[in-house]
Amino acid sequence: GEDVEQSLFLSVREGDSSVINCTYTDSSSTYLYWYKQEPGAGLQLLTYIFSNMDMKQDQRLTVLLNKKDKHLSLRIADTQTGDSAIYFCAAPDPNRDDKIIFGKGTRLHILP
Amino acid sequence: DVKVTQSSRYLVKRTGEKVFLECVQDMDHENMFWYRQDPGLGLRLIYFSYDVKMKEKGDIPEGYSVSREKKERFSLILESASTNQTSMYLCASNSGVGTDTQYFGPGTRLTVL
Repeated sequence: GEDVEQSLFLSVREGDSSVINCTYTDSSSTYLYWYKQEPGAGLQLLTYIFSNMDMKQDQRLTVLLNKKDKHLSLRIADTQTGDSAIYFCAAPDPNRDDKIIFGKGTRLHILP
Repeated sequence: DVKVTQSSRYLVKRTGEKVFLECVQDMDHENMFWYRQDPGLGLRLIYFSYDVKMKEKGDIPEGYSVSREKKERFSLILESASTNQTSMYLCASNSGVGTDTQYFGPGTRLTVL
C-alpha cells in the first residue's frame, strides 16, 4: 500500500522561505495533497497537485512534484507567524481511493 | 460553506465509562471517517463509513465501535474508555468522487482519567 513520510519538525525565521518535504511510495497516485492544521483546529486542505504536473503555484505557496523520485515539496515564501502549523502530506489509498493516507505531519515553527 | 461539526471540543471521562463522540456533516457526503491524532504518530484511521449503516475498520479499530444511522451523522463509541484512548479525535467526510478532498471537523480532545 501507500506509505507517506515527512520530517516531524522545521524551524524557519520569519520572512525566510520554508520548504517542507514528503516522500511517497505508490507511483500510481493520481494526485497528492497538502493539508494545514492550525493549533487547536482540524485539518484544512491547503493545496493539491495532479500527478501529470511538475509544479503548482498559488500566491506564496509552491508545490513541486518529482515523480521519478516520488518526492513532493511545499514551499512557503516569506514565511509569516500565521504560517505556524502542522503540515500534512497525503495521497490516495491505492486500494481504495476514497481513503487518504496521511504523513505524520511536519510542525513548522517560526523564529522571530 | 462546507461544514463538519463535532459534538464537543473537550471531554474528560473516567476509565471504564462509555463515551460517545458525535460528528455531523451538512454536505450530503457519502463517506465519513474517524481518526485519532497523537504526537509523533500523525493521523490514524479508526473506522470509516461509505454509506448509511455501512462501516469498515481502519488501521486501529480495537476498543472502538461506530454507528451511522443517518447519512449526515457518524458516531464513534468507546465502550469502556481506557487511559490509552486519551487523544485528539478528528472526524472527516468526503463525497468519494474524483479529487474530492476530506473535510475535517475541529476535533475533540478526549482525556480519560
